[in-house]
Amino acid sequence: DAGITQSPRHKVTETGTPVTLRCHQTENHRYMYWYRQDPGHGLRLIHYSYGVKDTDKGEVSDGYSVSRSKTEDFLLTLESATSSQTSVYFCAISEEGRAYNEQFFGPGTRLTVL
Amino acid sequence: GESVGLHLPTLSVQEGDNSIINCAYSNSASDYFIWYKQESGKGPQFIIDIRSNMDKRQGQRVTVLLNKTVKHLSLQIAATQPGDSAVYFCAENRYNAGNMLTFGGGTRLMVKP
Repeated sequence: DAGITQSPRHKVTETGTPVTLRCHQTENHRYMYWYRQDPGHGLRLIHYSYGVKDTDKGEVSDGYSVSRSKTEDFLLTLESATSSQTSVYFCAISEEGRAYNEQFFGPGTRLTVL
Repeated sequence: GESVGLHLPTLSVQEGDNSIINCAYSNSASDYFIWYKQESGKGPQFIIDIRSNMDKRQGQRVTVLLNKTVKHLSLQIAATQPGDSAVYFCAENRYNAGNMLTFGGGTRLMVKP
């Protein structure tokens, strides 16, 4: 497996609380991504990063923010969690060029917002 | 690892048979089409990609076919094995859209021993 870890792996929180998920890579890949996976929607891109301090929005970015202060870490923050953000969250990494297609995914974080 | 109880189309095949998983796409401007496999409790894993100017590409035990006329993509798995049981996703990549992948809904492949 590519060197990608996600923490925490499981989290239960209450509506209105802030939540931060962490993705850590040991591959030194430039690109990092956050996806959410829900029944009926497949994988949807939340935010991605193309370098330290360089991030951009994906398809479903409302209610989420990200930060990347080091190559190896990409943080996803839910400022005020809502029940609609209950999901499984996956982090992924990739290199450039043709390698954009080959993303390596972490094991996922199951987040439940009550 | 994590997985999601997706309500997905399901393809059931006998071990040793060939499998064909289909995907319809809508965006003619996509530059690449990609197949991913997601085993239960794990993140998706890249299988193979095909550039939009190609019709066919072969990998190890897999073949991807692209029919641009009807906007159809298929993944053929030869001699399907129990380890092939998973959810399979097609995805599209458009360079002018920031190289973001757009994933389809997925198909569950079940291999009967």
